[in-house]
Amino acid sequence: NAGVTQTPKFRILKIGQSMTLQCTQDMNHNYMYWYRQDPGMGLKLIYYSVGAGITDKGEVPNGYNVSRSTTEDFPLRLELAAPSQTSVYFCASSSAVRRGATGANVLTFGAGSRLTVL
Amino acid sequence: AQKITQTQPGMFVQEKEAVTLDCTYDTSDPSYGLFWYKQPSSGEMIFLIYQGSYDQQNATEGRYSLNFQKARKSANLVISASQLGDSAMYFCAIQEAGNQFYFGTGTSLTVIP
Repeated sequence: NAGVTQTPKFRILKIGQSMTLQCTQDMNHNYMYWYRQDPGMGLKLIYYSVGAGITDKGEVPNGYNVSRSTTEDFPLRLELAAPSQTSVYFCASSSAVRRGATGANVLTFGAGSRLTVL
Repeated sequence: AQKITQTQPGMFVQEKEAVTLDCTYDTSDPSYGLFWYKQPSSGEMIFLIYQGSYDQQNATEGRYSLNFQKARKSANLVISASQLGDSAMYFCAIQEAGNQFYFGTGTSLTVIP
């Protein structure tokens, strides 16, 4: 029962380098999300996807790109790393929307990826 | 405007006492969900409790209850009989139309022996 798996757990990048954070879920969830958490702060939504082939920007999308070719995978790409992208990144997924009524579309999170840009 | 506001950066509670963590929200969507997550020092995000906007009764999950005051747009988390393991960051979140989830800045809870 893996849930949401993120790799790598830790990474140090130099300014201007590129990298991809991998995210895979095995719960057949349609919805997937990428968040970043800066020290002592809450989570900010970077990008999200409502299904394969569909992605949309969240609150802080600049400097990032995503793709969703399959239901299971939702990689996050950093093209030109900057010190401002030093953060902990969380991938999450949820099932179909049931807002409001009894029953929750609980966000299931990965363990997080700590990225440092020097 | 912030969708979720948590005004208590840090809280202290004596072991075995109850504590309330505040959360107010801002939405014009009549259909929404409210969540609380716990983040211990190890960093993972743990789901605690959920309240739907149409739910008539306050949600409860073991020692956790959600004091939902819809007119005030308030969704406070109440932890009863605090334990040392409850020391963590606590985040309130709202799920709106489009299935986006927005989080507050969190409250750091410390349980004192």
